[in-house]
Amino acid sequence: RKEVEQDPGPFNVPEGATVAFNCTYSNSASQSFFWYRQDCRKEPKLLMSVYSSGNEDGRFTAQLNRASQYISLLIRDSKLSDSATYLCVVRAVGYQKVTFGTGTKLQVIP
Amino acid sequence: NAGVTQTPKFRVLKTGQSMTLLCAQDMNHEYMYWYRQDPGMGLRLIHYSVGEGTTAKGEVPDGYNVSRLKKQNFLLGLESAAPSQTSVYFCASSPFSGETQYFGPGTRLLVL
Repeated sequence: RKEVEQDPGPFNVPEGATVAFNCTYSNSASQSFFWYRQDCRKEPKLLMSVYSSGNEDGRFTAQLNRASQYISLLIRDSKLSDSATYLCVVRAVGYQKVTFGTGTKLQVIP
Repeated sequence: NAGVTQTPKFRVLKTGQSMTLLCAQDMNHEYMYWYRQDPGMGLRLIHYSVGEGTTAKGEVPDGYNVSRLKKQNFLLGLESAAPSQTSVYFCASSPFSGETQYFGPGTRLLVL
């Protein structure tokens, strides 16, 4: 089983729709969680960190479910500019490095 | 601040040639990383460094060497390039372990 798994998509959604992605992780000792965004042929950039209590940043909401070992990203009122690949990132306790998921591709359609 | 920069942006090599990729950061970060990204494989860690003068192996270190002689620079070397090393290489830095990683724009390498 992969350390971090994501549905590769693509998720094709109309503008204004709400879309959610999940990411599962296998190491129960995982401690830090992040969502990164990567535009086509560009570098990944941090979208948001994921805290135990969940967090929200505008149209984006991230949640953590430790019992089921997954994190989620919810995007409300999708914009064309949200089209990108969303990478799930996980770090385990005591580890100096993180593990990236392979990403979920989102295409927002006019 | 320039953030994280990488040189070159694009390179074509023949099998067996060598080259060095340079990563530089101006944020005074302790940690630096080299990743490669291939279709369907995601980002895979090649080598990383937790401070000046230190390096460690990541997930896919074979065929690569690194050096971090100065805190702001992290060099990735390919001693004898192979077609399997055709990829996009990203450098990243972070203040500490587990913190946000800041990525460079990437180097596209084609090995013929």
